[in-house]
Amino acid sequence: DAGVTQSPTHLIKTRGQQVTLRCSPKSGHDTVSWYQQALGQGPQFIFQYYEEEERQRGNFPDRFSGHQFPNYSSELNVNALLLGDSALYLCASSFTGEGGYTFGSGTRLTVV
Amino acid sequence: GNSVTQMEGPVTLSEEAFLTINCTYTATGYPSLFWYVQYPGEGLQLLLKATKADDKGSNKGFEATYRKETTSFHLEKGSVQVSDSAVYFCALSDRGAGSYQLTFGKGTKLSVIP
Repeated sequence: DAGVTQSPTHLIKTRGQQVTLRCSPKSGHDTVSWYQQALGQGPQFIFQYYEEEERQRGNFPDRFSGHQFPNYSSELNVNALLLGDSALYLCASSFTGEGGYTFGSGTRLTVV
Repeated sequence: GNSVTQMEGPVTLSEEAFLTINCTYTATGYPSLFWYVQYPGEGLQLLLKATKADDKGSNKGFEATYRKETTSFHLEKGSVQVSDSAVYFCALSDRGAGSYQLTFGKGTKLSVIP
């Protein structure tokens, strides 16, 4: 049973560029949340998607946007990249947002 | 708002030593509490959880008890192994307040030496 799959695992972008990260939830899960984990810090909640809509959003600027597809997979888009956006981006899935979350291994984004 | 405070690391222990990592929380409702573990280069794995006061979560020899009176959820293990070396995160979920997000502490890095 596949867990949460994220792609790519690593990428390097230049300041001002745009990036798209992808996540496939665990089988049977319908809710996807995204977190940003800066080096040496705990993960910070970006937003959660359920039924193809953003259900809750954390304290992140509008440069961060997302999408959920009918198959429950999700994308995280970040526009106008800043150096401070360099971090590990984690995707977590669950069933309806209740109970425990299963995390993927993350995408390491480096902005230069 | 909600917050989680956990002891600063890094923590270095010898194999078979006793482990305690302190965690306290602030929440508006009655949160569920979690410990997650992150091994190098990997995502987070749920280690244990407790959903109400006085519940004890346990897994792989780790334990933590939900103490509402002290707003704490300290992680303990009686005898650590080298394979327990990782970063440990305390987290809460406050569904009673209508929130779906997990709020994490900053993490505590544990190194166990043979």
